[in-house]
Amino acid sequence: GEDVEQSLFLSVREGDSSVINCTYTDSSSTYLYWYKQEPGAGLQLLTYIFSNMDMKQDQRLTVLLNKKDKHLSLRIADTQTGDSAIYFCAERHIRRGADGLTFGKGTHLIIQP
Amino acid sequence: DTEVTQTPKHLVMGMTNKKSLKCEQHMGHRAMYWYKQKAKKPPELMFVYSYEKLSINESVPSRFSPECPNSSLLNLHLHALQPEDSALYLCASSQGQVNTEAFFGQGTRLTVV
Repeated sequence: GEDVEQSLFLSVREGDSSVINCTYTDSSSTYLYWYKQEPGAGLQLLTYIFSNMDMKQDQRLTVLLNKKDKHLSLRIADTQTGDSAIYFCAERHIRRGADGLTFGKGTHLIIQP
Repeated sequence: DTEVTQTPKHLVMGMTNKKSLKCEQHMGHRAMYWYKQKAKKPPELMFVYSYEKLSINESVPSRFSPECPNSSLLNLHLHALQPEDSALYLCASSQGQVNTEAFFGQGTRLTVV
């Protein structure tokens, strides 16, 4: 079955690194995504990683994938107040010849001054 | 251009009304999706259109009726909704293959009174 788990809250000080963790269960997932959602807004695609990769870096964002443990993390370096949002991990799967995303419950990132 | 445009941004409708949500993309994507997001919950897949054909319907009640008039447009027709259908409705698009990004619109905030 498909299940994506995330912790619900993470609090960090401004300037520190944030690490948001995610576990998934579908071993056939080929792509894993991180989306950011600010209050009242839609989903902004931050980054994604292929399942045959173990790391991807994009400016302040680093994604680590441990496929054996089905564990995905998103590290945000030098966290700023503008990073305050809910971060969703999502896995992409194919069913009945078409695909869709399954999301985790989202991690609310809280920035302390 | 990675924009998915949804209209209207906000909609209030009575339980006897008929309304439509609209979604448009000009990225040449061949897969389009409707997701429903309740407050403080992750998005949940409702429908997937692939090459203008409905390929996934996640057991959505018939009071929600999707339509894909062409490869750039996706509509969601609403009729006889219930207050519990109030939510953020998100449209997304992708090239339709698992190894590609999925982009979301800003959503339509629907309130059923």
